[in-house]
Amino acid sequence: GEDVEQSLFLSVREGDSSVINCTYTDSSSTYLYWYKQEPGAGLQLLTYIFSNMDMKQDQRLTVLLNKKDKHLSLRIADTQTGDSAIYFCAEREGYSSASKIIFGSGTRLSIRP
Amino acid sequence: ETGVTQTPRHLVMGMTNKKSLKCEQHLGHNAMYWYKQSAKKPLELMFVYSLEERVENNSVPSRFSPECPNSSHLFLHLHTLQPEDSALYLCASSQASQGGELFFGEGSRLTVL
Repeated sequence: GEDVEQSLFLSVREGDSSVINCTYTDSSSTYLYWYKQEPGAGLQLLTYIFSNMDMKQDQRLTVLLNKKDKHLSLRIADTQTGDSAIYFCAEREGYSSASKIIFGSGTRLSIRP
Repeated sequence: ETGVTQTPRHLVMGMTNKKSLKCEQHLGHNAMYWYKQSAKKPLELMFVYSLEERVENNSVPSRFSPECPNSSHLFLHLHTLQPEDSALYLCASSQASQGGELFFGEGSRLTVL
Protein backbone atom coordinates (compact mmCIF):
# COMPACT_ATOMS: atom_id res chain seq x y z
CA GLY A 1 0.00 0.00 0.00
CA GLU A 2 0.91 3.65 -0.08
CA ASP A 3 3.31 4.88 2.56
CA VAL A 4 4.42 8.20 4.06
CA GLU A 5 7.57 8.30 6.17
CA GLN A 6 9.06 10.88 8.51
CA SER A 7 11.79 10.89 11.11
CA LEU A 8 10.37 10.70 14.62
CA PHE A 9 12.29 13.48 16.37
CA LEU A 10 13.91 16.82 15.66
CA SER A 11 15.56 19.17 18.14
CA VAL A 12 16.53 22.74 17.21
CA ARG A 13 17.72 25.81 19.04
CA GLU A 14 15.30 28.67 19.51
CA GLY A 15 15.72 31.18 16.69
CA ASP A 16 17.20 28.67 14.26
CA SER A 17 15.37 27.20 11.28
CA SER A 18 13.70 23.80 11.56
CA VAL A 19 13.50 21.50 8.56
CA ILE A 20 11.16 18.53 8.75
CA ASN A 21 11.42 16.00 5.97
CA CYS A 22 8.94 13.52 4.54
CA THR A 23 9.00 10.91 1.80
CA TYR A 24 6.03 9.24 0.16
CA THR A 25 5.48 6.47 -2.34
CA ASP A 26 2.26 7.35 -4.16
CA SER A 27 3.07 8.63 -7.64
CA SER A 28 -0.51 9.84 -8.12
CA SER A 29 -0.55 12.25 -5.18
CA THR A 30 -2.57 15.38 -5.87
CA TYR A 31 -2.08 17.44 -2.73
CA LEU A 32 0.47 17.21 0.09
CA TYR A 33 -0.16 18.65 3.51
CA TRP A 34 1.56 19.60 6.72
CA TYR A 35 -0.37 19.38 9.96
CA LYS A 36 0.59 20.38 13.50
CA GLN A 37 -0.65 18.63 16.64
CA GLU A 38 -0.17 20.13 20.08
CA PRO A 39 -0.66 18.01 23.23
CA GLY A 40 -4.27 17.04 23.86
CA ALA A 41 -5.50 18.59 20.63
CA GLY A 42 -6.54 17.54 17.17
CA LEU A 43 -4.54 18.15 14.03
CA GLN A 44 -4.31 21.69 12.71
CA LEU A 45 -3.62 22.30 9.03
CA LEU A 46 -0.50 24.45 8.57
CA THR A 47 -0.20 24.53 4.81
CA TYR A 48 -0.58 22.44 1.71
CA ILE A 49 0.92 22.29 -1.75
CA PHE A 50 -0.52 21.14 -5.03
CA SER A 51 1.49 18.37 -6.64
CA ASN A 52 2.44 20.44 -9.70
CA MET A 53 4.13 23.11 -7.55
CA ASP A 54 7.64 22.86 -6.20
CA MET A 55 7.56 25.55 -3.54
CA LYS A 56 5.11 27.43 -1.41
CA GLN A 57 5.88 30.10 1.16
CA ASP A 58 3.55 31.30 3.88
CA GLN A 59 5.09 33.69 6.42
CA ARG A 60 7.62 31.63 8.43
CA LEU A 61 6.73 28.40 6.62
CA THR A 62 8.32 27.21 3.39
CA VAL A 63 7.26 23.97 1.74
CA LEU A 64 9.49 22.34 -0.85
CA LEU A 65 8.29 19.49 -3.05
CA ASN A 66 10.56 17.30 -5.15
CA LYS A 67 8.06 15.23 -7.06
CA LYS A 68 10.71 13.19 -8.86
CA ASP A 69 12.17 12.00 -5.57
CA LYS A 70 8.78 12.03 -3.79
CA HIS A 71 10.27 14.22 -1.07
CA LEU A 72 8.46 16.95 0.84
CA SER A 73 9.95 19.29 3.43
CA LEU A 74 8.68 21.94 5.80
CA ARG A 75 11.01 24.72 6.87
CA ILE A 76 10.06 26.84 9.87
CA ALA A 77 12.11 30.03 10.06
CA ASP A 78 13.03 31.60 13.42
CA THR A 79 11.69 28.65 15.41
CA GLN A 80 9.93 29.64 18.63
CA THR A 81 8.96 27.68 21.74
CA GLY A 82 5.36 27.76 20.56
CA ASP A 83 6.40 25.68 17.57
CA SER A 84 6.96 22.67 19.83
CA ALA A 85 4.52 20.05 18.59
CA ILE A 86 4.22 16.97 16.42
CA TYR A 87 4.24 17.70 12.69
CA PHE A 88 2.50 15.33 10.30
CA CYS A 89 3.07 15.05 6.60
CA ALA A 90 0.13 13.73 4.56
CA GLU A 91 -0.66 13.04 0.93
CA ARG A 92 -3.96 12.81 -0.91
CA GLU A 93 -4.68 10.28 -3.63
CA GLY A 94 -6.96 11.68 -6.32
CA TYR A 95 -9.36 14.61 -6.44
CA SER A 96 -12.69 13.30 -5.25
CA SER A 97 -14.19 14.42 -1.97
CA ALA A 98 -13.62 10.93 -0.58
CA SER A 99 -10.01 10.46 -1.67
CA LYS A 100 -7.81 8.79 0.90
CA ILE A 101 -5.38 10.98 2.81
CA ILE A 102 -2.43 9.02 4.16
CA PHE A 103 -0.46 10.37 7.11
CA GLY A 104 3.10 9.84 8.25
CA SER A 105 3.92 8.90 11.85
CA GLY A 106 4.71 12.49 12.76
CA THR A 107 7.92 14.30 13.73
CA ARG A 108 8.15 15.58 17.27
CA LEU A 109 9.84 19.00 17.22
CA SER A 110 11.45 20.16 20.44
CA ILE A 111 13.03 23.57 20.97
CA ARG A 112 16.23 24.12 22.97
CA PRO A 113 16.75 27.50 24.67
CA GLU B 1 -18.72 27.52 16.85
CA THR B 2 -15.60 25.65 15.90
CA GLY B 3 -15.49 23.99 12.50
CA VAL B 4 -15.55 20.35 13.62
CA THR B 5 -16.86 19.41 17.05
CA GLN B 6 -16.46 16.03 18.70
CA THR B 7 -18.20 14.71 21.80
CA PRO B 8 -17.40 13.38 24.26
CA ARG B 9 -13.79 14.54 24.59
CA HIS B 10 -13.04 11.68 26.99
CA LEU B 11 -14.75 8.32 27.37
CA VAL B 12 -14.00 5.37 29.64
CA MET B 13 -15.91 2.19 28.97
CA GLY B 14 -15.89 -1.47 29.87
CA MET B 15 -15.57 -4.18 27.28
CA THR B 16 -19.27 -5.01 27.45
CA ASN B 17 -20.56 -1.45 27.14
CA LYS B 18 -22.16 0.20 24.13
CA LYS B 19 -21.30 3.83 23.53
CA SER B 20 -21.17 6.29 20.65
CA LEU B 21 -18.84 9.05 19.54
CA LYS B 22 -20.37 12.04 17.81
CA CYS B 23 -18.92 14.44 15.28
CA GLU B 24 -20.52 17.55 13.82
CA GLN B 25 -19.09 19.84 11.15
CA HIS B 26 -20.24 23.40 10.49
CA LEU B 27 -18.15 23.97 7.37
CA GLY B 28 -20.54 22.81 4.65
CA HIS B 29 -18.16 20.03 3.61
CA ASN B 30 -19.30 16.97 1.70
CA ALA B 31 -16.98 14.30 3.12
CA MET B 32 -16.36 13.11 6.67
CA TYR B 33 -13.75 10.77 8.09
CA TRP B 34 -12.91 8.76 11.18
CA TYR B 35 -9.24 8.28 12.03
CA LYS B 36 -7.69 6.34 14.92
CA GLN B 37 -4.53 7.69 16.56
CA SER B 38 -2.62 5.29 18.78
CA ALA B 39 0.67 5.94 20.51
CA LYS B 40 3.69 5.59 18.21
CA LYS B 41 1.60 4.63 15.17
CA PRO B 42 0.57 6.63 12.11
CA LEU B 43 -2.97 7.90 11.93
CA GLU B 44 -5.12 5.04 10.71
CA LEU B 45 -7.97 5.84 8.36
CA MET B 46 -11.07 3.95 9.51
CA PHE B 47 -14.03 5.21 7.49
CA VAL B 48 -14.80 7.78 4.82
CA TYR B 49 -18.26 9.09 4.00
CA SER B 50 -18.87 11.12 0.87
CA LEU B 51 -22.30 12.69 0.40
CA GLU B 52 -23.52 10.48 3.27
CA GLU B 53 -22.46 7.26 1.57
CA ARG B 54 -19.70 5.13 2.99
CA VAL B 55 -16.95 4.93 0.41
CA GLU B 56 -14.13 3.51 2.49
CA ASN B 57 -14.05 0.87 5.18
CA ASN B 58 -10.44 0.26 5.94
CA SER B 59 -10.66 -3.31 7.31
CA VAL B 60 -12.07 -2.07 10.57
CA PRO B 61 -13.49 -4.69 13.00
CA SER B 62 -17.27 -4.87 13.13
CA ARG B 63 -17.26 -3.75 16.78
CA PHE B 64 -16.88 -0.25 15.27
CA SER B 65 -20.00 0.81 13.39
CA PRO B 66 -20.18 4.21 11.68
CA GLU B 67 -23.31 6.15 10.88
CA CYS B 68 -23.71 9.28 8.77
CA PRO B 69 -27.34 10.48 8.94
CA ASN B 70 -26.61 13.72 7.04
CA SER B 71 -23.66 15.64 5.65
CA SER B 72 -23.06 17.47 8.93
CA HIS B 73 -23.09 14.59 11.38
CA LEU B 74 -21.02 11.45 11.80
CA PHE B 75 -21.22 8.87 14.56
CA LEU B 76 -19.01 5.97 15.59
CA HIS B 77 -20.93 3.33 17.52
CA LEU B 78 -18.79 1.21 19.83
CA HIS B 79 -19.71 -2.27 21.06
CA THR B 80 -17.72 -4.95 22.94
CA LEU B 81 -14.42 -3.19 22.44
CA GLN B 82 -11.03 -4.50 23.47
CA PRO B 83 -8.37 -2.73 25.57
CA GLU B 84 -6.22 -2.34 22.44
CA ASP B 85 -8.97 -0.14 21.00
CA SER B 86 -8.00 2.56 23.51
CA ALA B 87 -6.85 5.52 21.42
CA LEU B 88 -7.67 9.03 20.29
CA TYR B 89 -10.44 8.95 17.69
CA LEU B 90 -10.33 11.89 15.34
CA CYS B 91 -13.12 13.07 13.10
CA ALA B 92 -12.40 15.22 10.07
CA SER B 93 -14.25 16.78 7.15
CA SER B 94 -13.19 18.00 3.74
CA GLN B 95 -14.38 19.56 0.50
CA ALA B 96 -12.38 18.50 -2.52
CA SER B 97 -12.88 21.72 -4.47
CA GLN B 98 -11.05 23.70 -1.80
CA GLY B 99 -7.75 21.79 -1.89
CA GLY B 100 -9.21 18.79 -0.17
CA GLU B 101 -7.52 19.43 3.14
CA LEU B 102 -8.94 17.79 6.22
CA PHE B 103 -10.29 19.86 9.06
CA PHE B 104 -10.04 17.92 12.29
CA GLY B 105 -11.96 17.95 15.50
CA GLU B 106 -10.18 17.88 18.85
CA GLY B 107 -10.67 14.14 19.15
CA SER B 108 -12.35 11.76 21.58
CA ARG B 109 -9.92 10.03 23.94
CA LEU B 110 -11.25 6.50 24.49
CA THR B 111 -10.08 4.19 27.26
CA VAL B 112 -11.36 0.61 27.30
CA LEU B 113 -10.98 -1.17 30.62
